[in-house]
Amino acid sequence: AQKITQTQPGMFVQEKEAVTLDCTYDTSDPSYGLFWYKQPSSGEMIFLIYQGSYDQQNATEGRYSLNFQKARKSANLVISASQLGDSAMYFCAMRGRDSNYQLIWGAGTKLIIKP
Amino acid sequence: GAGVSQSPSNKVTEKGKDVELRCDPISGHTALYWYRQSLGQGLEFLIYFQGNSAPDKSGLPSDRFSAERTGGSVSTLTIQRTQQEDSAVYLCASSLVQVGMNTEAFFGQGTRLTVV
Repeated sequence: AQKITQTQPGMFVQEKEAVTLDCTYDTSDPSYGLFWYKQPSSGEMIFLIYQGSYDQQNATEGRYSLNFQKARKSANLVISASQLGDSAMYFCAMRGRDSNYQLIWGAGTKLIIKP
Repeated sequence: GAGVSQSPSNKVTEKGKDVELRCDPISGHTALYWYRQSLGQGLEFLIYFQGNSAPDKSGLPSDRFSAERTGGSVSTLTIQRTQQEDSAVYLCASSLVQVGMNTEAFFGQGTRLTVV
């Protein structure tokens, strides 16, 4: 069965520092995709970044990058130069062909940026 | 529409009443997901519709919960005989499904259900 694990329930980071949010996954699917979402206190779910299992390079989107280590089955989100507005819940998710493209979610990490 | 639309945005109901929550996905999206989220918690999977496949209902917490998707578009989540523990935000999401898989799910704003 597919599973996503986010081991950090909460994190405090000083503004302007970089932060890494951990995500490990378990799947036997040869082809899968990994997603990160942000959920601020307003409740909306905001898509941040995607990594495909066959992508040769780590995905980047502005200040967000994904540290994809396929052999270790990890897909950590790196936020550079953190801002106060980055304070939110962050969810890692996975989708695979063998699961009929169902989205599997981690429990989330609550990130708080300190001024 | 431009995005996933959910209605109502807020619903207060008395214990024991039935409620219906509606989700209008993005046109053309074959996958539709329902989740439940309690305050400060993660997403609890409820049900997943994908094209013409039989829906994955494995997340429905009890037989009081049911959902349907008519014509591959609009979906309704029904909760019968509501209980106080049903109080939560109910989120709907939709996505395209294609071999490349680089298609994110788009979420609605959610329905905040309060059972009193």
